[in-house]
Amino acid sequence: NAGVTQTPKFQVLKTGQSMTLQCAQDMNHEYMSWYRQDPGMGLRLIHYSVGAGITDQGEVPNGYNVSRSTTEDFPLRLLSAAPSQTSVYFCASSRERGAYNEQFFGPGTRLTVL
Amino acid sequence: AQSVAQPEDQVNVAEGNPLTVKCTYSVSGNPYLFWYVQYPNRGLQFLLKYITGDNLVKGSYGFEAEFNKSQTSFHLKKPSALVSDSALYFCAVKAAGNKLTFGGGTRVLVKP
Repeated sequence: NAGVTQTPKFQVLKTGQSMTLQCAQDMNHEYMSWYRQDPGMGLRLIHYSVGAGITDQGEVPNGYNVSRSTTEDFPLRLLSAAPSQTSVYFCASSRERGAYNEQFFGPGTRLTVL
Repeated sequence: AQSVAQPEDQVNVAEGNPLTVKCTYSVSGNPYLFWYVQYPNRGLQFLLKYITGDNLVKGSYGFEAEFNKSQTSFHLKKPSALVSDSALYFCAVKAAGNKLTFGGGTRVLVKP
């Protein structure tokens, strides 16, 4: 199993540009989520999905969109990039919705917005 | 709202000495507690979790953590630290639903 994969690994955008961060998992996990990691702030939840066709907002959803058309894929779209979105983005997945299931993380995408 | 505090930004320890990384939490209801480790330029890796039962939880790479309900703490420990344990450690808590709340992280530096 490849686990959770993310592309690209690095990206530089100009303010106002849009882009999609890709995330895929091959573990047949129902639950997937996107986090951003900023220094000293841990990881903050952006959006999550409990299954195909179902998404919901996390702690910091503004400026981001998600969709979940398949169990495997959970792309994150930046609509109009801003310097405040410079961060490292992690996708994660876990089995079912149970609170006791640990999450598996992808390697991350480092995004810089100029 | 649930929250996690990791009071130390960095912990320095000599190789072979005990390592402790502190974590306290606030949550409504029964907590589910997790520790993750992040090595440079990598994603987070699961170390261990507390769901219910024995307050002392054993995990990967010789790490363990003790759940203390009265002190709302879940400190991570390792009896004898290795240089390879140098990394960023995150404590996290879940309660209702499946939303995971992370602490700010503690950088561990193990010196030879």
